[in-house]
Amino acid sequence: NAGVTQTPKFRVLKTGQSMTLLCAQDMNHEYMYWYRQDPGMGLRLIHYSVGEGTTAKGEVPDGYNVSRLKKQNFLLGLESAAPSQTSVYFCASRPRDLLKETQYFGPGTRLLVL
Amino acid sequence: AQSVTQLDSQVPVFEEAPVELRCNYSSSVSVYLFWYVQYPNQGLQLLLKYLSGSTLVKGINGFEAEFNKSQTSFHLRKPSVHISDTAEYFCAVSATATGNQFYFGTGTSLTVIP
Repeated sequence: NAGVTQTPKFRVLKTGQSMTLLCAQDMNHEYMYWYRQDPGMGLRLIHYSVGEGTTAKGEVPDGYNVSRLKKQNFLLGLESAAPSQTSVYFCASRPRDLLKETQYFGPGTRLLVL
Repeated sequence: AQSVTQLDSQVPVFEEAPVELRCNYSSSVSVYLFWYVQYPNQGLQLLLKYLSGSTLVKGINGFEAEFNKSQTSFHLRKPSVHISDTAEYFCAVSATATGNQFYFGTGTSLTVIP
C-alpha cells in the first residue's frame, strides 16, 4: 500500500514550456485534490475531483488544467508555465465519507519555472 | 466559503515547555476542523480532527485541541514539547454539508529549542 504518490519529485521548466504532474493513489478513494504551497500562503486548492471523470475548480485554478480519467489517477497540467507557478505541488485523496477518514497527502513535487 | 487565520507565523519554545498554536476560523455554516503537521520536505500528516461530539479532541504525539464555537477557535496544545515536534503546523476547515473543499491557514512554524 503506497498511499499517495507523485511524479516527478522535482522539475525545472522554462517559461512557456508545458508539463504534467501525475498523482496516483491505491486506496480506492473517490476524492482527489491538487494544492500548491507557497511561503507564507499555506496550501491553496487548485482543482479537485469527486469521482472518475469529474473535476472542479478550487481557489487558484488559472493556468492549470486537470483530468481524472481513472479513479486512481489525477493529472495536473501546465500548458504554458510562468514563473508565478514556481511552487511545491501536493496531491491528496480521501474517501467520500469524511467522517471515516481525512485527506492523505503525497510527498510533493517541487517545480521551478525560470 | 470558509477561511482560517493562524495568528502566529513562528513560535519558538523551549524543550519540555508547553505550547499553544492558535487557529481561528470564519464560516456561515457548520464546519469540521483539522490540524495537520508538515515535517521538512514531506507532505502533510493529520494530527487531529473535530467532526462532532466532545469539543476536546486528542490527537497523535500528545497533541490536543479544543473547539470553541462561540470564539470560532480551534487552538492546538501540547503540555510538553520535544525537539522532534519542530515542524510546520496547519489548521484547516471544511463545511459539514458540502465538505468537498478544505481551506488551510497560512501555517505556524514551531521551533523547539534545546
